[in-house]
Amino acid sequence: AQRVTQPEKLLSVFKGAPVELKCNYSYSGSPELFWYVQYSRQRLQLLLRHISRESIKGFTADLNKGETSFHLKKPFAQEEDSAMYYCALSEGNNRLAFGKGNQVVVIP
Amino acid sequence: NAGVTQTPKFQVLKTGQSMTLQCAQDMNHEYMSWYRQDPGMGLRLIHYSVGAGITDQGEVPNGYNVSRSTTEDFPLRLLSAAPSQTSVYFCASSYGFGSQQPQHFGDGTRLSIL
Repeated sequence: AQRVTQPEKLLSVFKGAPVELKCNYSYSGSPELFWYVQYSRQRLQLLLRHISRESIKGFTADLNKGETSFHLKKPFAQEEDSAMYYCALSEGNNRLAFGKGNQVVVIP
Repeated sequence: NAGVTQTPKFQVLKTGQSMTLQCAQDMNHEYMSWYRQDPGMGLRLIHYSVGAGITDQGEVPNGYNVSRSTTEDFPLRLLSAAPSQTSVYFCASSYGFGSQQPQHFGDGTRLSIL
């Protein structure tokens, strides 16, 4: 069963427009959630983790346990935000479950 | 520090051949894992290890073997390659596991099975 759902495969936005990547999870325990990003020709790297409640590169993500969501948001997209974004869930058993990913294309 | 190093970067195999994908990290990380990345499937966990001498299966372990004889190395073996194993393989490591321990990924190995 899919434990992390990212419904949109490809998201195209204009520069300066808001970006929201949806992530829903299925987990009965206390979830630990992350967003990872893979820029072109670079390694997959951590962008955000819910426990830090931080803003990185203008991105924020809030854990909503009632809606089992961890959507990633940025108010004004930049061209350098074009990348593949993965939502990931730590299931507490030394396993990290990834969603299928969102390809974001920022149009100049 | 080199971080997580994967070799080779590219490999083409014939069906039935065997090979080992190498992964090494120089950060003294206890936790290491292997993922495969396929279009439309995201990253799926193959095997992982929480320390030297300890390995466990992930989501898609069939067709793959691993061992962890040292903290630094975590090779992934394909004993008899199949076209379904054509994928990009990523190795990752971390000090431990959980929200305080981000995964550090390698550059990946692009594997094609003919």
